Amino acid sequence: DIVMTQSPDSLAVSLGERVTINCKSSQSVLYSHNNENYLVWYQQKSGQPPKLLISWASTRESGVPDRFSGSGSATDFTLTISSLQAEDVAVYYCQQCYSTPLTFGGGTKVEIK
Amino acid sequence: EVQLLESGGGLVQPGGSLRLSCTASGFKFNNYGMYWVRQPPAKGLEWVSGIYGGGTNTFYADSVKGRFTISRDNSKNTLYLEMNSLRAEDTARYYCARNSGQNFFDSWGQGTLVTVSS
Repeated sequence: DIVMTQSPDSLAVSLGERVTINCKSSQSVLYSHNNENYLVWYQQKSGQPPKLLISWASTRESGVPDRFSGSGSATDFTLTISSLQAEDVAVYYCQQCYSTPLTFGGGTKVEIK
Repeated sequence: EVQLLESGGGLVQPGGSLRLSCTASGFKFNNYGMYWVRQPPAKGLEWVSGIYGGGTNTFYADSVKGRFTISRDNSKNTLYLEMNSLRAEDTARYYCARNSGQNFFDSWGQGTLVTVSS
């Protein structure tokens, strides 16, 4: 099974500041045949289901603000919020979609300082 | 608009059974694989089971294999999860989620809560 490890577990950042969340996979999720990283990011606000934010490691879903960006390749990935807004308070999860069992990171809780 | 509505959760004793349903609308149901993902209280997400659009292929996490059965009725746009031999560690909110086509989830229901306790 591919183990996904996120860091930090939580962080508190001032409004307008930058947020960086890391996700590491225990093996590469880069598929050599199409050079795509099978890694996605979700946002889960309190009391709501997860919402897909970014697919293929760096492709924002329709309607997702451009302050959200994803980067990385193979085993190391990053979700960045360039300027934290109040509505970004949530838990963020990475998930590998390279192989079954599909696995998620443990989540990173983002709060306002 | 894609909508997924789960039902069937509740309180059940250890060793008991429960059947969850997920009714879909707003898309061509039989064109999509569907999944169940669960989330224990105040914890992270765990993939449970998946099924192809035609219903021929099914997949399970090791933690539920042999106890849970996923199925679908495409004529009713409904996904099911039959859960047997339930354990305390199965306590969670169970989400129905649509497979984008590449094993990630582009739409989620609100979830249904399953509590296994005596």
